[in-house]
Amino acid sequence: GQQVMQIPQYQHVQEGEDFTTYCNSSTTLSNIQWYKQRPGGHPVFLIQLVKSGEVKKQKRLTFQFGEAKKNSSLHITATQTTDVGTYFCASRSGGGNKLTFGTGTQLKVEL
Amino acid sequence: DSGVTQTPKHLITATGQRVTLRCSPRSGDLSVYWYQQSLDQGLQFLIHYYNGEERAKGNILERFSAQQFPDLHSELNLSSLELGDSALYFCASSVGPGDQPQHFGDGTRLSIL
Repeated sequence: GQQVMQIPQYQHVQEGEDFTTYCNSSTTLSNIQWYKQRPGGHPVFLIQLVKSGEVKKQKRLTFQFGEAKKNSSLHITATQTTDVGTYFCASRSGGGNKLTFGTGTQLKVEL
Repeated sequence: DSGVTQTPKHLITATGQRVTLRCSPRSGDLSVYWYQQSLDQGLQFLIHYYNGEERAKGNILERFSAQQFPDLHSELNLSSLELGDSALYFCASSVGPGDQPQHFGDGTRLSIL
């Protein structure tokens, strides 16, 4: 079955440093979604990527979808304490209905 | 506020018992998804309903069952509870059956004593 691995599992950064999390799949993905879960909160949808090689930006966040549609990344420029949380990628493979979430990357930002 | 309502927020019960978790989707959303999140674990997909019909099943135990009612609210039934069932159970909803963004509720925290 489809497996979606995310790295790293944890990341501690100083405020102002950049942060990147990677999502890798063993199979070709139909699309990929990214979610953020604040400590004690629920996942919140950030963005969806559909096209091969697609790049989307939201302020300091840059999302990329790989050319082969098997990997994706989320890059945060100049992290702030408000960026703290766990970032999940989620995807479907082929024509399946099941949305598989990655293992998540927990980001901690220190002042 | 995501617009998805889950009740109760907390549930404490004993092994062997049965509980029902309830979810009301956002207005206009026809899909409901259930997820389990254990401590330091990711989101494990349980089941997906669209407009009253089951669309996809994840690693849902036979002791667990769910349904979506005509008014589109959904219930997740957990029976013969075990200590390992302690977790945060999230419901999410989306407009359609496919790749639309999912909107999550605040979750029900289930503690088995």
